[in-house]
Amino acid sequence: SAVISQKPSRDICQRGTSLTIQCQVDSQVTMMFWYRQQPGQSLTLIATANQGSEATYESGFVIDKFPISRPNLTFSTLTVSNMSPEDSSIYLCSVITVENYEQYFGPGTRLTVT
Amino acid sequence: DAKTTQPPSMDCAEGRAANLPCNHSTISGNEYVYWYRQIHSQGPQYIIHGLKNNETNEMASLIITEDRKSSTLILPHATLRDTAVYYCIVKGSNYKLTFGKGTLLTVNP
Repeated sequence: SAVISQKPSRDICQRGTSLTIQCQVDSQVTMMFWYRQQPGQSLTLIATANQGSEATYESGFVIDKFPISRPNLTFSTLTVSNMSPEDSSIYLCSVITVENYEQYFGPGTRLTVT
Repeated sequence: DAKTTQPPSMDCAEGRAANLPCNHSTISGNEYVYWYRQIHSQGPQYIIHGLKNNETNEMASLIITEDRKSSTLILPHATLRDTAVYYCIVKGSNYKLTFGKGTLLTVNP
């Protein structure tokens, strides 16, 4: 399996500000994803992070609100822009590894917007 | 991808087998059954997956019925650390994992 790290692990932010979350993987991966888990809810896919090109967003998520970068095979960032309390969630990075093509998840970033 | 149905919660005594059911009556022939679990405040952890044969690994066993319309995840000797939300997911050829509400398994001492 892959070792996935996310920074920060948690943050408390003011409404109207933006936060960038980093995801680093220790091995080669084919695909990287960003999920959101709102309080008491299940996980929802935000987007697929594509290396060197624009991310592919799921219905209900837009680039202006959740810009994503993936400059290389093992690193990606998700920015939560112009935050409101409704953005308070756990944001999770996920990857599919080259080794066995299974999907693994990072520990998550717990965001609270006040 | 096919929809899955799981009981919202189950209890199990420590040391006993935990059997978690999942219905996926609309599963297609090329869709796999995946199981993940999420321990409180952590990212989901991959457990096991299968197509039509029963599967076993160091964590669990997966029993899929012959018609593939349902499956059971078996944790042979549940421990307190197995308390988590368990997600049964049907996944096709695309990469997307669609999470439902899962089953909250509580292992009691």
